[in-house]
Amino acid sequence: GQNIDQPTEMTATEGAIVQINCTYQTSGFNGLFWYQQHAGEAPTFLSYNVLDGLEEKGRFSSFLSRSKGYSYLLLKELQMKDSASYLCAVKGYQKVTFGTGTKLQVIP
Amino acid sequence: DAGITQSPRHKVTETGTPVTLRCHQTENHRYMYWYRQDPGHGLRLIHYSYGVKDTDKGEVSDGYSVSRSKTEDFLLTLESATSSQTSVYFCAISPTEAREKLFFGSGTQLSVL
Repeated sequence: GQNIDQPTEMTATEGAIVQINCTYQTSGFNGLFWYQQHAGEAPTFLSYNVLDGLEEKGRFSSFLSRSKGYSYLLLKELQMKDSASYLCAVKGYQKVTFGTGTKLQVIP
Repeated sequence: DAGITQSPRHKVTETGTPVTLRCHQTENHRYMYWYRQDPGHGLRLIHYSYGVKDTDKGEVSDGYSVSRSKTEDFLLTLESATSSQTSVYFCAISPTEAREKLFFGSGTQLSVL
């Protein structure tokens, strides 16, 4: 089976940097995803990591360590619009399993 | 925009009644999915389809059935709705050229009273 853990809630200040961690246990690994979901809206794709290392995309970066079963999403220069839930998801042999999400609140 | 439309957006129904949710896509994607999202559980896969008339069960398929008679439409049916099926339902597609990505519809808020 697959198990994914991420913090339930985080608070950070506008303009700052925040790191959202995700640890996982999986039978078979074919990639790790991060999605952003604003309240009342659908999740939207942010990043995909299949190899170890850091993937940078603008203000957002995602890191993966397969040996440690660990990933993080790094958000730089936080903006108020970044207040949302961030979902970590892992693809095993056949399916994608989602974590319960981290609700990030950005405060002025 | 992956061209996904879900209908209805909101529905209130009574226990024991049948309910059908529709997912329509305009870009001929082969893979389509139905998820439900509940507090404390994250998104959970109900059923998925990998082509017309080709469907398979996800992790929470009990009480649900699906049909895909056309590439563009993927229907989710609750044969006899129960209160435990109150949830937000999301349809998703994954493009053939980018199977690792999921693009979600806007969701259907279903309340079973």
